[in-house]
Amino acid sequence: DVVMTQSPLSLPVTLGQPAAISCRSSQSLVYSDGDTYLNWFQQRPGQSPRRLIYKVSNRDSGVPDRFSGSGSGTDFTLKISRVEAEDVGIYYCMQGIYRPYTFGQGTKLEI
Amino acid sequence: QVQVQQWGAGLLKPSETLSLTCAVSGGSSSSYYWTWIRQPPGKGLEWIAEITHSGSTNYNPSLKSRVTMSADTSKNQSSLKLTSVTAADTAVYYCALEFYVWGQGTLVTVSS
Repeated sequence: DVVMTQSPLSLPVTLGQPAAISCRSSQSLVYSDGDTYLNWFQQRPGQSPRRLIYKVSNRDSGVPDRFSGSGSGTDFTLKISRVEAEDVGIYYCMQGIYRPYTFGQGTKLEI
Repeated sequence: QVQVQQWGAGLLKPSETLSLTCAVSGGSSSSYYWTWIRQPPGKGLEWIAEITHSGSTNYNPSLKSRVTMSADTSKNQSSLKLTSVTAADTAVYYCALEFYVWGQGTLVTVSS
């Protein structure tokens, strides 16, 4: 299975400050169609996960533009330009190329 | 706005069969493929299965011998069955449309 490794696992942040989460895959996530299938999810306390970013850098509808994704190959980053209180939760990266699809361990963002 | 609702038994005894169903409201599932994911209490996410647009199913090898997933496009529904459950199958089970629209989750507890 493809191993997804996130860091840090815990991320204390200050409101209004930036934050960044790293995700590394054990294999390249570039598919034969040229796209890279790396997603980011946010899970707020007590809620279902919500996809924020697909194919590395594409924001889903309704996702604030303070969230951005970048990276290539095996190294990816989720950035929050200015953290707000509603951003508290656990963030997961997920690869969508190789079955079984696999998730990172999760990064807990706390104020 | 497309939403997903799910339901099924929340308390099972060891060796019983888990059975969950999802349905779409506010739209059609025909443009999406269904997927199921689970999350043990306090732990991370594990992909279980999917049905692609062509109707083929793919399962996580760790569960393949016990899991069956189906979809009924006429009803905009998907179902998941997991046989011979044990305490290790205790988790919140989610269905989702292409990881984009998620159900509310169903906590399934396996206990004697």
